[in-house]
Amino acid sequence: GDSVTQMEGPVTLSEEAFLTINCTYTATGYPSLFWYVQYPGEGLQLLLKATKADDKGSNKGFEATYRKETTSFHLEKGSVQVSDSAVYFCALVYTGGFKTIFGAGTRLFVKA
Amino acid sequence: DTAVSQTPKYLVTQMGNDKSIKCEQNLGHDTMYWYKQDSKKFLKIMFSYNNKELIINETVPNRFSPKSPDKAHLNLHINSLELGDSAVYFCASSLSRGQDIQYFGAGTRLSVL
Repeated sequence: GDSVTQMEGPVTLSEEAFLTINCTYTATGYPSLFWYVQYPGEGLQLLLKATKADDKGSNKGFEATYRKETTSFHLEKGSVQVSDSAVYFCALVYTGGFKTIFGAGTRLFVKA
Repeated sequence: DTAVSQTPKYLVTQMGNDKSIKCEQNLGHDTMYWYKQDSKKFLKIMFSYNNKELIINETVPNRFSPKSPDKAHLNLHINSLELGDSAVYFCASSLSRGQDIQYFGAGTRLSVL
């Protein structure tokens, strides 16, 4: 079946470091891919999305490119801030599909 | 105005009790969801309704029963609460099913003692 695999956390970085959170997926078709972020004590919110192969989603300095050949959607940011400390979820969903499939989440800690 | 609102935010109760969590969305969306998030942050879909019709019913104990009186509301009732039910429960909505962004409530932290 379809699935999403994320790198295990926690990931601990110093402020201004480069961030990569790996996400790979298994899909029988051509889903849309998402990154959601969950700040402490809050619900998930959309960070960025990509709907087809080679699309790049970007928001708040974060980027991810839909790579069909490697079935990946890695999240990157050039310079993280303390305020980026959160849990990040990779997810996929099909057009007209019944549900979104979430990865297990990756916790990020950024130290000042 | 909060897009997806859940009440209560915290719920502390004894084993064996029955409790309800309410959810309302003011986005005009057709589809609503309940998720359970465990202490390791793993998110598990429980139920989904599309225009008041149940479309997802994952393997969840019968003690959990969702109710959707209209498409803006999706409530979750839990009977005979158990220790293992302790978790954070999130309500979410999307414009329609599939390929749409989901909007989450702030969560209800349930603690069963």
